[in-house]
Amino acid sequence: QQQVKQSPQSLIVQKGGISIINCAYENTAFDYFPWYQQFPGKGPALLIAIRPDVSEKKEGRFTISFNKSAKQFSLHIMDSQPGDSATYFCAATQGGSEKLVFGKGTKLTVNP
Amino acid sequence: DAGVTQSPTHLIKTRGQHVTLRCSPISGHKSVSWYQQVLGQGPQFIFQYYEKEERGRGNFPDRFSARQFPNYSSELNVNALLLGDSALYLCASSPKSGYSYNEQFFGPGTRLTVL
Repeated sequence: QQQVKQSPQSLIVQKGGISIINCAYENTAFDYFPWYQQFPGKGPALLIAIRPDVSEKKEGRFTISFNKSAKQFSLHIMDSQPGDSATYFCAATQGGSEKLVFGKGTKLTVNP
Repeated sequence: DAGVTQSPTHLIKTRGQHVTLRCSPISGHKSVSWYQQVLGQGPQFIFQYYEKEERGRGNFPDRFSARQFPNYSSELNVNALLLGDSALYLCASSPKSGYSYNEQFFGPGTRLTVL
């Protein structure tokens, strides 16, 4: 049972473009939604996170949009750079639990 | 400050063998979680330990076990290895476990290959 569905599986964007990755969840008890960035040979690193009481959160070039009624959230990377090329994972958890439920990941390639 | 460290970096075992993976959390962090990341997939939660007690267990067979030591470091043990256990094993630490989510900091992982 996949509780967090992520799309697309891979994404190719030109430098300066907008990268958009989408996730949908099933468990309405989830109350914390982080996004992680993972480079080859490294562990995931937290990028940005949101709680369901807000519809949008922005940190620099990264924005999370959250739609509670649709049970969907997305990551927007503005002005994408080659250094953003990595695999991105959405995740969810509930009640302060350390148990993160991850999506399958999106491999982003930003061409120069 | 040092981040989460894991050892060994890579490991090759044969089916049926036993393996022990080690994790040292960030100094001051008392919670350690283990995740399995199969190639091309997102990490899957295996265990969480806080103050040496198991606080959470994922949907993994009893061949998987873990423990946390008084210095908050942790070991993940896998018995009777199967080919399907080949994966990147990630350790994550956070300051505490409670009602408010704490950011988890991931180590670089141990790449386990089972032949």
